Amino acid sequence: QKEVEQNSGPLSVPEGAIASLNCTYSDRGSQSFFWYRQYSGKSPELIMSIYSNGDKEDGRFTAQLNKASQYVSLLIRDSQPSDSATYLCAPKSDYKLSFGAGTTVTVRA
Amino acid sequence: GAVVSQHPSRVICKSGTSVKIECRSLDFQATTMFWYRQFPKQSLMLMATSNEGSKATYEQGVEKDKFLINHASLTLSTLTVTSAHPEDSSFYICSASGLAGGLSTDTQYFGPGTRLTVL
Repeated sequence: QKEVEQNSGPLSVPEGAIASLNCTYSDRGSQSFFWYRQYSGKSPELIMSIYSNGDKEDGRFTAQLNKASQYVSLLIRDSQPSDSATYLCAPKSDYKLSFGAGTTVTVRA
Repeated sequence: GAVVSQHPSRVICKSGTSVKIECRSLDFQATTMFWYRQFPKQSLMLMATSNEGSKATYEQGVEKDKFLINHASLTLSTLTVTSAHPEDSSFYICSASGLAGGLSTDTQYFGPGTRLTVL
């Protein structure tokens, strides 16, 4: 069973603050990692992917990967009310994604 | 780029009827398509994977005779829920990965989903 654990949330942050999301995974064969955002009642949309250990920045988002620790995180800087959603961590192994339960983020105006 | 559509977006049907859901990649060739199901307050669960021209590979516990998947072309996959019952009511989402210019095969792009309600 490929397990993906995310901090349960909900995570409430004030507008303009940093939201920090964590994810651990059990499958050491995972080679690529994806973060998706899912608004209530909608399907997931890709935020970013990361393949190598270290940090990857894309606009206000930074993903961090540590394969030795089987850990991946997502930072959202300058959080906006439009960032309020559920964030899904999805490691990929054998061409398939495994999804965590997601962390719900609420950005307070 | 990387647009995936689904049709219908919402369907309500009576118990015992069959429902077909279409998933299309609009601007790239989808070599692989995935079908997921999501119940309220739960995460996505992969039901099956299909490659164009091949039989779908179903995840453990998913009834292949109940959830018929066809991937007849590089832009279209269909999921048919046969003899639907209330417990099949869920949010069905497809995703696709493929090749088109700089588009990576590693990334799955999701359709908008189909909400099925079986009365």
